[in-house]
Amino acid sequence: EVQLVESGGGLVKPGGSLRLSCVASGFVFSSYTMNWVRQAPGKGLEWVSSMSSTGSFVMYADSLKGRFTISRDNAKNSLSLQMNSLRAEDTAVYYCARDSVRGYDWDYWGQGVLVTVSS
Amino acid sequence: QSVLTQPPSVSAAPGQKVTVSCSGGSSNIGNNYVSWYQHFPGTAPKLIIYENYKRPSGIPDRFSGSRSGTSATLVITGLQTGDEADYYCGTWDSSLSAWVFGGGTKLTVL
Repeated sequence: EVQLVESGGGLVKPGGSLRLSCVASGFVFSSYTMNWVRQAPGKGLEWVSSMSSTGSFVMYADSLKGRFTISRDNAKNSLSLQMNSLRAEDTAVYYCARDSVRGYDWDYWGQGVLVTVSS
Repeated sequence: QSVLTQPPSVSAAPGQKVTVSCSGGSSNIGNNYVSWYQHFPGTAPKLIIYENYKRPSGIPDRFSGSRSGTSATLVITGLQTGDEADYYCGTWDSSLSAWVFGGGTKLTVL
């Protein structure tokens, strides 16, 4: 059974940093592109970042302006998101999602982890 | 403001049919596959339609999708109370070089 479990969320002050993790199981993690998607309170889904299976190709939403860094450790079946210079508008539930083999959709998602940026 | 436009809400009675629209442009829906996701708040979103109209294994045929030009549509027939959820369309935007979603549509089964 495919499982994606996020962790690392919490309350952080504006300007602070937080590192999210997503541990995968039930599939060959090193074969899949992985993604982060977020949902702010009362808002829709927003794509954050993607990383290819080997980590050689990464993409970020323009709105992040270099504050977030995605990484992965295929030996540990783990995906991470380092978030710096956090702002109130980064408050959201962050989801880890797996690319399907087709590459045009995301077939498994984690339950999400809440990040709250507030003083 | 989402790149893809969805109605904020739709509703219908149990057993009836509902249509959720998703409008975009030539850089996204017009030239890339559309997928649809069902999301119950507090849970993991679930893929229900991929490549415009295909259903993953286990998704009932009450759910169907289509694409025409720069718009996509999700149709749910034989509505059940358990279908009450938020529904999102998503696709790649070639101009933005970004994955984009609609703002989501809340389905209420009256």
